[in-house]
Amino acid sequence: SQQGEEDPQALSIQEGENATMNCSYKTSINNLQWYRQNSGRGLVHLILIRSNEREKHSGRLRVTLDTSKKSSSLLITASRAADTASYFCASMDTGRRALTFGSGTRLQVQP
Amino acid sequence: ETGVTQTPRHLVMGMTNKKSLKCEQHLGHNAMYWYKQSAKKPLELMFVYSLEERVENNSVPSRFSPECPNSSHLFLHLHTLQPEDSALYLCASSSNPSNQPQHFGDGTRLSIL
Repeated sequence: SQQGEEDPQALSIQEGENATMNCSYKTSINNLQWYRQNSGRGLVHLILIRSNEREKHSGRLRVTLDTSKKSSSLLITASRAADTASYFCASMDTGRRALTFGSGTRLQVQP
Repeated sequence: ETGVTQTPRHLVMGMTNKKSLKCEQHLGHNAMYWYKQSAKKPLELMFVYSLEERVENNSVPSRFSPECPNSSHLFLHLHTLQPEDSALYLCASSSNPSNQPQHFGDGTRLSIL
């Protein structure tokens, strides 16, 4: 399977609910990043977590990183219809200078 | 406004045409990237430039030719493309390739007839 696999591939929730997306990777990393993409637009950086960090918060976003399991999760709390988008994790592998992206999770938040 | 501008936004070309995609960043970054985004596939890294030097070429066919004349501009020259090259081509920049986030443009939607 690919580096940076996301799970689930698609998620549909009601406004106000929390959304959790998971990501797995295969190699040793410097950091792991999460991005968001609205339809027809470029990716927007959400949050970066370094390999020596376990949890990071930014507004309604909470990211965790477990390097022993090579996995990360993105939690969006109190979701809004405007959160509807695709979300991608991307790993910065040790020794490289480019990100490896996962296939993404499509989040649909119903108003 | 993301600080990374790509032109054109849409491009339709025949397989024998030659065209170029342009990317410009106004963020003072020193690294720039080309990615290909196809339906139902992960984002694929194509090229990485750091301080105007190509530092990574991800086994991209020679019909794609990048050019980075300075740290603010990046081009992707296209010639003799195939239908499977139809995709969204995204440009990104960052201040440090290893540990800083990347800023993306909105991409060029390329269709090969």
